[in-house]
Amino acid sequence: AQKVTQAQTEISVVEKEDVTLDCVYETRDTTYYLFWYKQPPSGELVFLIRRNSFDEQNEISGRYSWNFQKSTSSFNFTITASQVVDSAVYFCALSGPIQGAQKLVFGQGTRLTINP
Amino acid sequence: ETGVTQTPRHLVMGMTNKKSLKCEQHLGHNAMYWYKQSAKKPLELMFVYNFKEQTENNSVPSRFSPECPNSSHLFLHLHTLQPEDSALYLCASSQGVGDAGGKETQYFGPGTRLLVL
Repeated sequence: AQKVTQAQTEISVVEKEDVTLDCVYETRDTTYYLFWYKQPPSGELVFLIRRNSFDEQNEISGRYSWNFQKSTSSFNFTITASQVVDSAVYFCALSGPIQGAQKLVFGQGTRLTINP
Repeated sequence: ETGVTQTPRHLVMGMTNKKSLKCEQHLGHNAMYWYKQSAKKPLELMFVYNFKEQTENNSVPSRFSPECPNSSHLFLHLHTLQPEDSALYLCASSQGVGDAGGKETQYFGPGTRLLVL
């Protein structure tokens, strides 16, 4: 069975600090995809990134960066120079091969609070 | 409108009421999803529709009844709910191209916050 664990339930930092959100996953599939979503107070899940299991290159997008390490089954997310607008709940998710539509398994989420 | 929209955004209902949640996607997708997000649980997949056909029912109680009349619209009909059904109900859509190997990206609506009294 697939499983995603986000061990950090809540994180609180001061603005401009760097912060890393951890994500560890379990799967027996050789082909799978990993995702990060952001959920601001408004409720909508906002897609941030998708990474496939064959691409272990780290990715950077502005202040956001992702570190995928297959050897440790981790897909961590770092925000550099955090801002108050980054405050949200962040979800890591895993999907696997499936006919037709997709089945995502989500972690419990990490509530990130950036204090001014 | 763009993206995925959901109405109503907030709903309060009694246990004997019947109500419906509506989801509409403007992305040209073929797959649509219902999720439940309650306070202490991870996001739970409820139903999946692909090209209007239900492909997944994640052991959801029959008091929740989905309907997908076309690839752009998804409904969740509610009747005789329980207080523990109070939650945020999220709709999502994805391309739905078949045997995609899990690589599709789901796009979510803003959700309906449901309170059952």
